[in-house]
Order: sequence, then C-alpha cells, then structure tokens
Amino acid sequence: LAKTTQPISMDSYEGQEVNITCSHNNIATNDYITWYQQFPSQGPRFIIQGYKTKVTNEVASLFIPADRKSSTLSLPRVSLSDTAVYYCLVGDIPYNQGGKLIFGQGTELSVKP
Amino acid sequence: NAGVTQTPKFQVLKTGQSMTLQCAQDMNHNSMYWYRQDPGMGLRLIYYSASEGTTDKGEVPNGYNVSRLNKREFSLRLESAAPSQTSVYFCASMVSSYNEQFFGPGTRLTVL
Repeated sequence: LAKTTQPISMDSYEGQEVNITCSHNNIATNDYITWYQQFPSQGPRFIIQGYKTKVTNEVASLFIPADRKSSTLSLPRVSLSDTAVYYCLVGDIPYNQGGKLIFGQGTELSVKP
Repeated sequence: NAGVTQTPKFQVLKTGQSMTLQCAQDMNHNSMYWYRQDPGMGLRLIYYSASEGTTDKGEVPNGYNVSRLNKREFSLRLESAAPSQTSVYFCASMVSSYNEQFFGPGTRLTVL
C-alpha cells in the first residue's frame, strides 16, 4: 500500500475554500485515492474517491494531476461544521487485495468564525 | 437499516480480564474491519475479514483475536486485557468493489 503524506493541521475561516493536499509518490497503477472525514467521537465517513483528473460530488472535489503522485481535496465555502480530521488513503479497489485500507494520521482542519 | 452497530458503547476492564466486542452490519457487505484509535492518533487496523470465513491480520493484531461468525457479525476478543489496549475501537464494513467503509459508533474501552 502506498504511503501518504498530508499536513498535520490547517486553519481556515468560515466561507473560505479549503484545499488539503496529499502526497503519494509511490502510488501504483491500480490504486485509487480515497478521502474520509472524521468528527470528534465518531467513526470516519467516506467523502470522495477518484482515480485521475477531477471528481466532484455534493460535498467536495478531488483534483488528481496526470502523474497521480499527489491529490487535493477541495472543500468549497467551509463552515464551522467542517471542523474535522481528513484522511487521505491510497489503495487498490478492495476486490483485488482483500479490502485492507490504511489510515494515516490525517489533517486536522479547524474552521473559525 | 441500522448500518453498523457495536456493543458495548463503553467498557472498563481490569488488567488481565477478557472481553468480546461485538459488531454487526445489515448492509450485506462482504468485508468487515476492526480498528483502534488512540487519543490524537489516526486509525490503526487490527484485523479484517475480506469475506465470510476468512480473517487476516492488520497493522496491530497482537493481543487480539477475531471471529467472523457469519456474514453479518465480526467480533473482537481481548483474552487478557492490558492498559496499552485502552482505546476507542471502531468496527467497519465495506462493499467489496469500492473503497467506501461504513463505521460503527465505536466502543470506548479503558483498561485499569
């Protein structure tokens, strides 16, 4: 499983766009990039997943450059409720490797009024 | 549809005691997982079960055993609890063809 590196913490203000970048230099051809969000005292929650270029859903966008060695999670117009830890994971679709996902330390995002 | 349920929510043990954490999912998922999360840390995978009848070690399996009782249930057992096992334990399940795991509410375990 490819190792990921992301900032330990970030600060933002309400209404701003937040971009969290994850580095995964050893990503393999079959690997997908997945992001999770965790609020205090809760289990993580899936946000978005992509393989290349750009993926957008109702919560976030995921930008993946052509070399796929990094990815950026973009949260538009954050609010106080977006304060959470965000995890970047890289791995094959579980069908091909038994379903193991490795969570790193994540990025603790603090949104201020 | 309850999703992933875990029991108990809280537990205090003395060193050397044993206990089993229960997890069940009603989403017909093939894969199930046990993680632990220590204060200020990310999740670490203890054991996982890619499908009914199979289990595999994760990053930190020492001191734990698991049983995939059927497709719905995946239990985690501490045979002789140690203070180092004080943590929050999360169970999760996943559809095999996608990386979206669904997590339970967690069990907060304290070992004295």
